[in-house]
Formats: sequence, C-alpha cells, structure tokens
Amino acid sequence: DVKVTQSSRYLVKRTGEKVFLECVQDMDHENMFWYRQDPGLGLRLIYFSYDVKMKEKGDIPEGYSVSREKKERFSLILESASTNQTSMYLCASSLLGQGSIAYFGPGTRLTVT
Amino acid sequence: DAKTTQPPSMDCAEGRAANLPCNHSTISGNEYVYWYRQIHSQGPQYIIHGLKNNETNEMASLIITEDRKSSTLILPHATLRDTAVYYCIVRVRVTGNQFYFGTGTSLTVIP
Repeated sequence: DVKVTQSSRYLVKRTGEKVFLECVQDMDHENMFWYRQDPGLGLRLIYFSYDVKMKEKGDIPEGYSVSREKKERFSLILESASTNQTSMYLCASSLLGQGSIAYFGPGTRLTVT
Repeated sequence: DAKTTQPPSMDCAEGRAANLPCNHSTISGNEYVYWYRQIHSQGPQYIIHGLKNNETNEMASLIITEDRKSSTLILPHATLRDTAVYYCIVRVRVTGNQFYFGTGTSLTVIP
C-alpha cells in the first residue's frame, strides 16, 4: 500500500516562528504536492515538485517555501508564521504521467496564535 | 479560473444510487478526470479516474460524456459511510501535472 506520512497531526505555533512541515512517501513517486485546506475554499495548491531539488509554485505560494533534497521527502516551510496561515495542510504524492493517482497524507492541522 | 464545477451539496437515501455531476467544459483532449472524496478531518481518498471511456471499480462508476465536458460519479448503493465531500478534478497538464481541486460536493446519505 502507498503510504504518505506527515510529521504531525496537530501543531500550534506562535506568530513569527519558523515552521517546518514534513512529508514522506514510500512509493518512489516523482511528484509531491503541498495543499492547504480552508472552509469554503476547498484544497488550494501551494507548491509541488516533480523531482529532487525541483519545485514549482502553485496557486498560493506567498509566505511559503519548500525543500526537496531527497526523493521521498518534501518539506513545507513557513518562514515567519502568521495567523492567516492557520489551516489544514495536506501533502500528496504521485508518479509522473497523466494517468497516475495522487495519494494523500492524513493532514496537519496548524494553528498560529 | 475554475476548472471544474460541482453542486455544493446533495442528499441521497441509503441504499439508493448517488449520482454526482461535474462540469469540466475546458478540458483538453489528454486530460484525465479524477474523483476523490474526503471524510471529515482526513486526507482525500482516491475513488476513480478516466480519460474518455466509462470506468467502473469496486467503489464507483464514472460516466464521461462523449464531448468530455462533463462527467458523473455513481455510487451504486450509497451507505452512511459514503457521507463525505466529493471532488471532481481535471489534472492540468500544461502547467505541470498538478491536481487542481474545487470546493466539491458535500454528499449526505440519509438513513
């Protein structure tokens, strides 16, 4: 079974802190994605990566950065957390190719106070 | 710009078929249609996907119109555990293989 794990299910951070959210997949997938989910807005793509050290901006990259040093790991970084980044963060991975399936992790609910 | 359009909510009686519609009028010829669902506070779960032909698996059936501008997800015998938000997604090839989610349809299965 494909497994996508995220470092924390719940996280509470203070405004201005640097926050790292980590995602690990065990299926040798090339693609990895970070989304955030807010009530009424659905899932919005923050960043994605199709290879090690490669990254592409999604719809809402402002205030975030990412790192992919190893194929199985994709990190989302909030350089200086703000209250408007309180959200559910979801990681996903997939093989390259149009017909591949994206598998999601359980999500991290981040609260910035 | 929206890539898919779904009704915000639907109800279905337990044991009946649930038919969830999706419009994707700007779909390109080589873009797949995917369906996912999300139960509260969990990550989205893959259901089914297709390109041109109708598809069926153990969870659902996917009916894609001949012009590919719309599709319908069918849950043949809905159960209470099928209560979830269902997302119809067109995988965008031009900008790099992302999965773009809309706001989905909240399906409530009624006993």
